Amino acid sequence: AQSVTQPDIHITVSEGASLELRCNYSYGATPYLFWYVQSPGQGLQLLLKYFSGDTLVQGIKGFEAEFKRSQSSFNLRKPSVHWSDAAEYFCAVGAWDSSYKLIFGSGTRLLVRP
Amino acid sequence: NAGVTQTPKFQVLKTGQSMTLQCAQDMNHEYMSWYRQDPGMGLRLIHYSVGAGITDQGEVPNGYNVSRSTTEDFPLRLLSAAPSQTSVYFCASSYSTIEGDYGYTFGSGTRLTVV
Repeated sequence: AQSVTQPDIHITVSEGASLELRCNYSYGATPYLFWYVQSPGQGLQLLLKYFSGDTLVQGIKGFEAEFKRSQSSFNLRKPSVHWSDAAEYFCAVGAWDSSYKLIFGSGTRLLVRP
Repeated sequence: NAGVTQTPKFQVLKTGQSMTLQCAQDMNHEYMSWYRQDPGMGLRLIHYSVGAGITDQGEVPNGYNVSRSTTEDFPLRLLSAAPSQTSVYFCASSYSTIEGDYGYTFGSGTRLTVV
């Protein structure tokens, strides 16, 4: 069955520190992978996605993610976190079938210390 | 260029009441879907549609109905609201290309409370 695991419910980092949010997926075929960010009370904003090509994907707001097929992972990284990055982050895998549905992880809440 | 429009943004219902959450998109996307978001559970798929007249169930369909009479609209109906349906609901439309790319546009959400 398709699934996405985000093992960290909360992560706290200091402003200016580097960040890595983990995402592991289970999917039988080549996955379409997404990272979304959600600020409190807001909708979902796409940070980046991977569907083919270079396994290191650049996104908005200075984020990047690396697809590692051997590890079934798609971890999100940022070299220097800003206070405005505090939000909830969701990893998702797109089902490559006729439904085009997204399967989401449970999310990681990022707190940023000043 | 509105994207995906959801109405209402907030709603309070009494147990047993029915209502319809509206979703409209102006991007001519074939695929539309409804998700609910609950704390600690991410977003879970309720129903989806791959085109006008075609709908199917997602992961958590019980208590909800959908229809897709036009490409633009995909309303979600709560037949008899229950407190367990208190949640934030997101509508999404999605596209695919012949190159194999696809993406999603989400609405801003409807926060529903059932008392």
